This record gives sequence, structure tokens and C-alpha cells, in this order.
Amino acid sequence: GEDVEQSLFLSVREGDSSVINCTYTDSSSTYLYWYKQEPGAGLQLLTYIFSNMDMKQDQRLTVLLNKKDKHLSLRIADTQTGDSAIYFCAESRGLTGGGNKLTFGTGTQLKVEL
Amino acid sequence: DTAVSQTPKYLVTQMGNDKSIKCEQNLGHDTMYWYKQDSKKFLKIMFSYNNKELIINETVPNRFSPKSPDKAHLNLHINSLELGDSAVYFCASSHLRNTEAFFGQGTRLTVV
Repeated sequence: GEDVEQSLFLSVREGDSSVINCTYTDSSSTYLYWYKQEPGAGLQLLTYIFSNMDMKQDQRLTVLLNKKDKHLSLRIADTQTGDSAIYFCAESRGLTGGGNKLTFGTGTQLKVEL
Repeated sequence: DTAVSQTPKYLVTQMGNDKSIKCEQNLGHDTMYWYKQDSKKFLKIMFSYNNKELIINETVPNRFSPKSPDKAHLNLHINSLELGDSAVYFCASSHLRNTEAFFGQGTRLTVV
């Protein structure tokens, strides 16, 4: 089955690193994603990782994937107040008729304090 | 030059009414989706369409009827609205075999 879990809240001080964790259950996931949602806004794709990779770095973002434990994390270096948002991890499965089905986690509310 | 655009952004309506939400993408994608985000921020897929054909319907009530007049549009029509339909509805699109799904800004539906 598909189930994606995240902790609900994370609070960090500006300039520190943030680590948001995610666990998933579907071992057939092909890609795993991190989306950001600011208040009242849509979903912004931050980064994604293919399931046969274990790390991906993109500027301040580092994604770590432990496929054996089905654990995904997003590290944000030098966290800024503008990073305050809800972060969703999502796993993707291809659909027989085309496209992908995203199963989202519960979302982690990141609060950055001065 | 918005990639995935939804209208309206806000929709307030009474129980029992019928309403539609429109979605258009100008990315040339062939697959489009509707997702629902409830009051607890849980996001769940509702429908997926590929080249105007329904691919999946995730146990959505029959009151919800998506319509895809062409592959750039996927509209969502909802009959006999209920209080529990209040949510934010997101449209998204992707290429057939591509990984990235691009989301619209969402339509906040409030049923009173």
C-alpha cells in the first residue's frame, strides 16, 4: 500500500540547518519529491530524486534517500525566514495509462525564527 | 504566461449548488490531474487524464465529473455540493513519462 509519513512541525533559528524527514511504504516508487507550499499559495516543486540514487544536492538543498529503510530527508542549509512554509514529500508511481500518481505525505510546517 | 492556471481562485457557494472549476496548462503536457487538499492540509489525487482520457478515479463520488475538452484543459464539475466538499482543489499537469508535475495555484472552495 501507499503511506507517506512526516513529522508535523519543525522550528529552527535563522542561519541553522533544517532537516525534514519522511518515511514511505511503497517500494515500487520511481521518484520521490519535495514540494513547498507557502500560505495561501500553490505547490512549488523544490527537488526530486530518482529511487536508485542516494543523494542529490541543489544549492542549499540536500536530499538523502535510504531506500532500504524507505526514508527520505530534505536538508536546507542556512535556513532563512523565507523558507517558512509547509514541506511535502511525495512518492511517485507510473500509471498504466500514462502519467504519474503522486502520494503526498502529511506535510511538515517549518517555522524559522529570528 | 502562467504554466498551470485555475479559475476561480476562490469559490463560495451554498449546499446543493452545482459549480465548475476550470484548469488550463500551456506547457504542452499530455497528462492532467486534480488533487484535493483538505482542512488538515492532506493532499490526495482525485483524477488523472491522459490525452483527454480518464486514467484513474480515486474513489471520488459521482457528483464530481471531470471534463477534458482537449489535452490542455481539465475542468472539474461538482453537482449537489456538500459541506464536506470544502477544500482547496489543485490542478496539475505533466508529460506522459516525465517526472515533474506542475501545480496550479489552487481553488479554495467553501460550501456554506
